[in-house]
Amino acid sequence: DSGVTQTPKHLITATGQRVTLRCSPRSGDLSVYWYQQSLDQGLQFLIHYYNGEERAKGNILERFSAQQFPDLHSELNLSSLELGDSALYFCASSGTSGGLPSYEQYFGPGTRLTVT
Amino acid sequence: AQSVTQPDIHITVSEGASLELRCNYSYGATPYLFWYVQSPGQGLQLLLKYFSGDTLVQGIKGFEAEFKRSQSSFNLRKPSVHWSDAAEYFCAVYNTGFQKLVFGTGTRLLVSP
Repeated sequence: DSGVTQTPKHLITATGQRVTLRCSPRSGDLSVYWYQQSLDQGLQFLIHYYNGEERAKGNILERFSAQQFPDLHSELNLSSLELGDSALYFCASSGTSGGLPSYEQYFGPGTRLTVT
Repeated sequence: AQSVTQPDIHITVSEGASLELRCNYSYGATPYLFWYVQSPGQGLQLLLKYFSGDTLVQGIKGFEAEFKRSQSSFNLRKPSVHWSDAAEYFCAVYNTGFQKLVFGTGTRLLVSP
């Protein structure tokens, strides 16, 4: 158990809908990362938040957004869902080292999103 | 841009035999390297990491990896594989500029009796 929790574990929804995935980082970790894992794209970085602020964006679609709240949990919002958005979505967290995000990331169990 | 190559998509090893999974990286600066394991339906578990110092690093579950700068490699090894090691293994490099992990495509390990 990494200490990172994600809810829900599974989500089935229809095209065009909107969903919210939730992540709670390990106790004390300030960084939250979101990754998407799909068969064709592999593991892709989406976005990084550090202590409530967006730090980096990766291959995140405009239909997707995220935020990190004062209690450090994070939510990933996916809207206007398409069949191709079906994937495993992972959240990871890391601590700090020398005032910067630590390099080690600890992953949650993931949310499997199925868009029908 | 950074990249990680895992040339073997699948590897089958007999239980009790040794294992080596290959990983090559492309990164201009000092690489921070990781191996993660993903069991079916599970998240990614950190096996080991290399930041600096001794080029042979020990991890959990009896795994080790050797960093070879001259070959841009960070191969994962285990002297004796157990059936429970069957999983997918991912090599990753940390991009300090974007503060993100860049993953390889993974190697699926099958363990035969």
